[in-house]
Amino acid sequence: GAVVSQHPSWVICKSGTSVKIECRSLDFQATTMFWYRQFPKQSLMLMATSNEGSKATYEQGVEKDKFLINHASLTLSTLTVTSAHPEDSSFYICSARTGTTDTQYFGPGTRLTVL
Amino acid sequence: GENVEQHPSTLSVQEGDSAVIKCTYSDSASNYFPWYKQELGKRPQLIIDIRSNVGEKKDQRIAVTLNKTAKHFSLHITETQPEDSAVYFCAAVFSGNTPLVFGKGTRLSVIA
Repeated sequence: GAVVSQHPSWVICKSGTSVKIECRSLDFQATTMFWYRQFPKQSLMLMATSNEGSKATYEQGVEKDKFLINHASLTLSTLTVTSAHPEDSSFYICSARTGTTDTQYFGPGTRLTVL
Repeated sequence: GENVEQHPSTLSVQEGDSAVIKCTYSDSASNYFPWYKQELGKRPQLIIDIRSNVGEKKDQRIAVTLNKTAKHFSLHITETQPEDSAVYFCAAVFSGNTPLVFGKGTRLSVIA
């Protein structure tokens, strides 16, 4: 149990385009989902916390208008990187948590490369 | 806010030896401490966790100890194997809707 999927697994796009990444909890309802970004050889950096049905809470330094997060249901959250630039190239990972436990389950990640 | 320090950043051990990774946290109210293993290009996998009402937890070759007074917790891997080679992250959280705060990670290399 506690499986989180993420789609796509990798994406290459041109500078200036937008990219949407989906995060799904497959066998449980995720009241809270988190979006992380991980640069090579670095730790996971929290970008935002997303609760179903409410606006996401962004970490300091993360532009909410650039990284649009929608948590429309208890099993789906999306991250849209708008007007992507090469410096946005990174490994984006979501995680999900139920309302009854502190455990976070991670998706497989999406490798974004912006040319 | 919570801050988690992790040491060492890299660790090399001979196969069969033990490996110990240590973390300290700043928020004394933190009460949940998971450890994740991440292989290159893959998702972090939860390998063991401990809550603040427990001092030690063991699962086969992996154990975690928690010292609430000193605000530190450690991961112990015994009889290391080459497949244990990965990056290990500690994390801490104060229960509720707050997110995990991760350490910077330890790159463990097990040399055959």
